[in-house]
Amino acid sequence: DVKVTQSSRYLVKRTGEKVFLECVQDMDHENMFWYRQDPGLGLRLIYFSYDVKMKEKGDIPEGYSVSREKKERFSLILESASTNQTSMYLCASSRDTYGYTFGSGTRLTVV
Amino acid sequence: GDSVTQMEGPVTLSEEAFLTINCTYTATGYPSLFWYVQYPGEGLQLLLKATKADDKGSNKGFEATYRKETTSFHLEKGSVQVSDSAVYFCALSDGGGGADGLTFGKGTHLIIQP
Repeated sequence: DVKVTQSSRYLVKRTGEKVFLECVQDMDHENMFWYRQDPGLGLRLIYFSYDVKMKEKGDIPEGYSVSREKKERFSLILESASTNQTSMYLCASSRDTYGYTFGSGTRLTVV
Repeated sequence: GDSVTQMEGPVTLSEEAFLTINCTYTATGYPSLFWYVQYPGEGLQLLLKATKADDKGSNKGFEATYRKETTSFHLEKGSVQVSDSAVYFCALSDGGGGADGLTFGKGTHLIIQP
């Protein structure tokens, strides 16, 4: 079964820490995405990547960066975590418009 | 920019009731339209899709028809079950082969009571 795997389901970090969220897909997809999901706001696109070492800003990139050194792995980095970054983070991958596959999500709490 | 508007709920129905979740969109060009479902504690799963006007997407008893004239993609099911309880997201992709990401509505929480 094809998969998008996010390394942690739950994460608790302190304000100011550098946080890494990891996402790995086994479908050889070119496109990978990071969204955050908040009640009443739905899903918002943070960053996406359409190729190795390529990255594009989404709708809310402030406070985040990403890394894609290998095709199968797309990392989201919070340079200095803040409480307003407490959220559910969802990774997805796709080859085209019709095949988005999502991971199970990482629920991050910043205290 | 692109946007998707859907009823937020929660929507509470009894088992075997008829379901409609409204979704309207604003987009340039000719978007593809999607419904995703999120069960508790899980990520999103594609429920159905439509890529051009008048297409009907269907899966697991759910249906939605791409209506360009009303810019809508309403989700329907004739007889819901308790297992359909989930959050449903309407989304669009404004071309670009999927590389630019999807634009999502805020989600509709559906609760089905036995």
